[in-house]
Amino acid sequence: GENVEQHPSTLSVQEGDSAVIKCTYSDSASNYFPWYKQELGKRPQLIIDIRSNVGEKKDQRIAVTLNKTAKHFSLHITETQPEDSAVYFCAASIGEGNNRLAFGKGNQVVVIP
Amino acid sequence: NAGVTQTPKFQVLKTGQSMTLQCAQDMNHEYMSWYRQDPGMGLRLIHYSVGAGITDQGEVPNGYNVSRSTTEDFPLRLLSAAPSQTSVYFCASSTAGLPQYFGPGTRLTVT
Repeated sequence: GENVEQHPSTLSVQEGDSAVIKCTYSDSASNYFPWYKQELGKRPQLIIDIRSNVGEKKDQRIAVTLNKTAKHFSLHITETQPEDSAVYFCAASIGEGNNRLAFGKGNQVVVIP
Repeated sequence: NAGVTQTPKFQVLKTGQSMTLQCAQDMNHEYMSWYRQDPGMGLRLIHYSVGAGITDQGEVPNGYNVSRSTTEDFPLRLLSAAPSQTSVYFCASSTAGLPQYFGPGTRLTVT
């Protein structure tokens, strides 16, 4: 199957602490792994992505790590701020030529001031 | 650039009615796609297009049609609306084949 699962479904963190969201995928041919942030009532926004030939990628306070052997990848948010509160979706490329995405069901992150 | 635009923002339909959700982008992106978002279900791909004149089915295509006559526009047609199609619909576009920019969404209710 082409499943992407996210853990935990809800995560509460104190402002300034780190948050980690983990995703697992089933298709060993997947080679592209994006993360999207969606604030309440708004559109998803691509915040970071990683390709299978890279193990880690950073962009300021966010980073993504990939373990292809274990088929999981994680989003790391450091020094969390209230504006980081949102639903975060992971996805993995699937299909012929990896031309589609399978999305996880999302993680609600709540940053407590 | 306006980016990805969608109209309408909200729509209420009766069962059996048809309508078209509009999507346009001004970034000259080849790849466009339609997703639906339901509570607790994440985003599911309905149809996608890799360029003008080329469309293909995604994960949940039944009850929907698309066409891509120009690079800019990618309308989604509901043939005969059903309550199960109540959802938020997002259009997306990108240069490289996977969704990079999403539109603001259309919230559709079918009664």
